[in-house]
Amino acid sequence: AIQMTQSPSSLSASVGDRVTITCRASQGIGNYLGWYQQKPGKAPKILIYAASSLQSGVPSRFSGSGSGTDFTLTISSLQPEDFATYYCLQDFSYLTFGGGTKVEIK
Amino acid sequence: EVQLLESGGGLVQPGGSLRLSCAASGFIFSNYVMYWVRQAPGKGLEWVSSINYNGHYTYYADSVKGRFTISRDNTKNTLHLQMDSLRAEDTALYYCAKLGVREPPDYWGQGTLVAVFS
Repeated sequence: AIQMTQSPSSLSASVGDRVTITCRASQGIGNYLGWYQQKPGKAPKILIYAASSLQSGVPSRFSGSGSGTDFTLTISSLQPEDFATYYCLQDFSYLTFGGGTKVEIK
Repeated sequence: EVQLLESGGGLVQPGGSLRLSCAASGFIFSNYVMYWVRQAPGKGLEWVSSINYNGHYTYYADSVKGRFTISRDNTKNTLHLQMDSLRAEDTALYYCAKLGVREPPDYWGQGTLVAVFS
């Protein structure tokens, strides 16, 4: 099974900061990777699909990059509504979620 | 408006069974692979099972293989998850989803809670 190693597991940041979250796959997955945001009590919401495509309606401060085994989600300027938990998800072979990154207010 | 409405969760003793359902509307259900994803309290997301568009191919996480059965009824736009031999570690919020990792759309229900305890 493909393993997804997501880091960091948590981070503290201030409004306006640039935030980077990474996911590493245990084998190549092409660009079959998505990034999700989850807020407490809510279902996950997709931000990025196909590794780097911005989902319609998602602010442009979110961006994704990478292919193969190494992927990055970047928030260019953190906003108050961005404090949440973020997950990567691969669907190259079955599905595997990363362990999550909780973004907290510094 | 797209809706995925899960039902069937509840409290059950270890070794018991539950059948989850997910009623889909607002999109062409029969066109898509569908998924069950779960989230234990305070934990991350875990894929449980998938089923292809016509129900002929099903896939399971190792943690539930042999105990859970996914199925779908495209005439009723409904997804099911039969859960047998339940364990305490199956306690979680179970989401029904149409995932858009490769391309949109991406839809999730609000989840149904399964609690397994003696």
